[in-house]
Amino acid sequence: QEQVVESGGGVVQPGRSLRLSCAASGFTLSSFGMHWVRQAPGKGLEWVAVIWYDGSNKYYADSVKGRFTISRDDFRSTVHLQMNSLRAEDTAVYYCARGATRLDLWGQGTVVIVSS
Amino acid sequence: EIVLTQSPATLSLSPGERATLSCRASQSVSGYLAWYQQKPGQAPRLLIYDASTRATGIPTRFSGSGSETDFTLTISSLEPEDFAVYYCHQRSTWPQTFGQGTKVEIK
Repeated sequence: QEQVVESGGGVVQPGRSLRLSCAASGFTLSSFGMHWVRQAPGKGLEWVAVIWYDGSNKYYADSVKGRFTISRDDFRSTVHLQMNSLRAEDTAVYYCARGATRLDLWGQGTVVIVSS
Repeated sequence: EIVLTQSPATLSLSPGERATLSCRASQSVSGYLAWYQQKPGQAPRLLIYDASTRATGIPTRFSGSGSETDFTLTISSLEPEDFAVYYCHQRSTWPQTFGQGTKVEIK
């Protein structure tokens, strides 16, 4: 069945980097735009980034612009989120979600904790 | 960026009652608004997109309406599994944004 599975989360010190991955299966990744959405503990959803189906466009939330980079590897059916210069406020569950006109398939998320 | 304001923050209702959730945008999003449901410990689930189109497999008790800046999610008769947090989301303008959520709790 169609699914996306996130990985790569963990505990990291402020200022360090982390790379998240989102593995897609059961559908053709190259046909879809892919998003990252995060949720801080006890808080609401925050849209983070998107990459278009062909990789031609990428957009970011102001809070991560210049620090995070989204990329895709359609051969390996994987989307990545490279997170640099991490801050305490980046602590959250990070979800990968499929979609162009709507986010119709979500993973279960991977936890990122930024702490010294 | 477009700010989405959801109201009320919490809605206390009993099973069988009608729930009406509001989402107001700081500027027009045309019809590019979606609604998601999230239960504790779970990923969000798409309910409605483009303001009024139900996603695949979503029961007909869920309906969406509105345009431009004012949108409504209606649950016609609450089932026990509908008690959750609901978020609106706009894709009209970058960056995309979510509302802060409305919690529907059992009265």
